[in-house]
Amino acid sequence: AQSVAQPEDQVNVAEGNPLTVKCTYSVSGNPYLFWYVQYPNRGLQFLLKYITGDNLVKGSYGFEAEFNKSQTSFHLKKPSALVSDSALYFCAVRDMSYNTDKLIFGTGTRLQVFP
Amino acid sequence: GAGVSQSPSNKVTEKGKDVELRCDPISGHTALYWYRQRLGQGLEFLIYFQGNSAPDKSGLPSDRFSAERTGESVSTLTIQRTQQEDSAVYLCASSLAGARTYEQYFGPGTRLTVT
Repeated sequence: AQSVAQPEDQVNVAEGNPLTVKCTYSVSGNPYLFWYVQYPNRGLQFLLKYITGDNLVKGSYGFEAEFNKSQTSFHLKKPSALVSDSALYFCAVRDMSYNTDKLIFGTGTRLQVFP
Repeated sequence: GAGVSQSPSNKVTEKGKDVELRCDPISGHTALYWYRQRLGQGLEFLIYFQGNSAPDKSGLPSDRFSAERTGESVSTLTIQRTQQEDSAVYLCASSLAGARTYEQYFGPGTRLTVT
């Protein structure tokens, strides 16, 4: 079965510092991995995805993620955090097994960026 | 262009009542998904529609939950005889279909409160 894990409920970082939000995955076959962000009282916004190709994926708002097959990880990163990055971040893996197509989400990590 | 829209944005209902939630996907998106997000938790897959294929209903938590989709447009999620544990944000998403590379675009959600 496909699954993702986000080991940290919350990550705190000072503005201007680099940030990392961790995600590990367990899949059979090739992984299709996604990061979404959720601002308060808003729906989920797509940030970036890994399908194939370069292990470093660049996305919206200056975020990037590094796919590491040996460590089965897909950590979200940003070189310099902004207060406005404070939100709830979800890692997800796509399950396209027989007769279905769905995202399986991690439990989310709350990012708090302090001024 | 317009994104995924959902209505109502908020719904408060008494235990035992039926509720109907609506989703308008992005025009041209043939795939439509419903997810549920309980307070402080990740997203749970409920149901997936793709064109005229039989939907994947494997995520529906009980027979009180049902969903329909008219062609490749509007979808409604119906919860009969609501219970307090049904309180959650219900999110709809749509996607182009046919390729693993396509991301899902989410609506703002309907916050359901069962009293």
